[in-house]
Amino acid sequence: DVKVTQSSRYLVKRTGEKVFLECVQDMDHENMFWYRQDPGLGLRLIYFSYDVKMKEKGDIPEGYSVSREKKERFSLILESASTNQTSMYLCASSSSYLLGGDTDTQYFGPGTRLTVL
Amino acid sequence: LAKTTQPISMDSYEGQEVNITCSHNNIATNDYITWYQQFPSQGPRFIIQGYKTKVTNEVASLFIPADRKSSTLSLPRVSLSDTAVYYCLVAISSGSARQLTFGSGTQLTVLP
Repeated sequence: DVKVTQSSRYLVKRTGEKVFLECVQDMDHENMFWYRQDPGLGLRLIYFSYDVKMKEKGDIPEGYSVSREKKERFSLILESASTNQTSMYLCASSSSYLLGGDTDTQYFGPGTRLTVL
Repeated sequence: LAKTTQPISMDSYEGQEVNITCSHNNIATNDYITWYQQFPSQGPRFIIQGYKTKVTNEVASLFIPADRKSSTLSLPRVSLSDTAVYYCLVAISSGSARQLTFGSGTQLTVLP
């Protein structure tokens, strides 16, 4: 089974702090994704990466950056956390950049619930 | 970006068939629809995916009509453990990549 793990389930930070969210997958997937999930808004894509050191902006990249130094690890960085970044953050991975296909899909981690005070 | 719309909530009884529809636009014939199930405090879990008119696996079916303006997740005989939030994901071809748009989710409550 594909396993996607996230470094923390719950995190509390203060406004202005630099925050790192880590994600690791064990299936040698090329592609990794970061989403945030908010009530009534579903999942919104922040950034994704289709290869080591490669990244693409998603729908809501403002206030975030990412790092992918190794294939299995994808980090989301909040340079200066703000209260409006309080949310559930979900990491996902997939084998194909194009998705689709009969079996290719995104596999999600358990999520990190971040609270910024 | 595709705009996707799902009902906010649905109720059903054990043993019934449940159909959840996701409305969307700008879907080409090779654009994919994926459905996920999410329980509280967990990440979304894959249910079914496809681009053809009908796809079936061991837990669900996916129907996409000819106009491709919607898709329907069909759960054949629900049980209490199917109570969860269900999300559709539309993956639209954009050059060599795909744009991904999730629906806002449908809370399904299965009653005894």
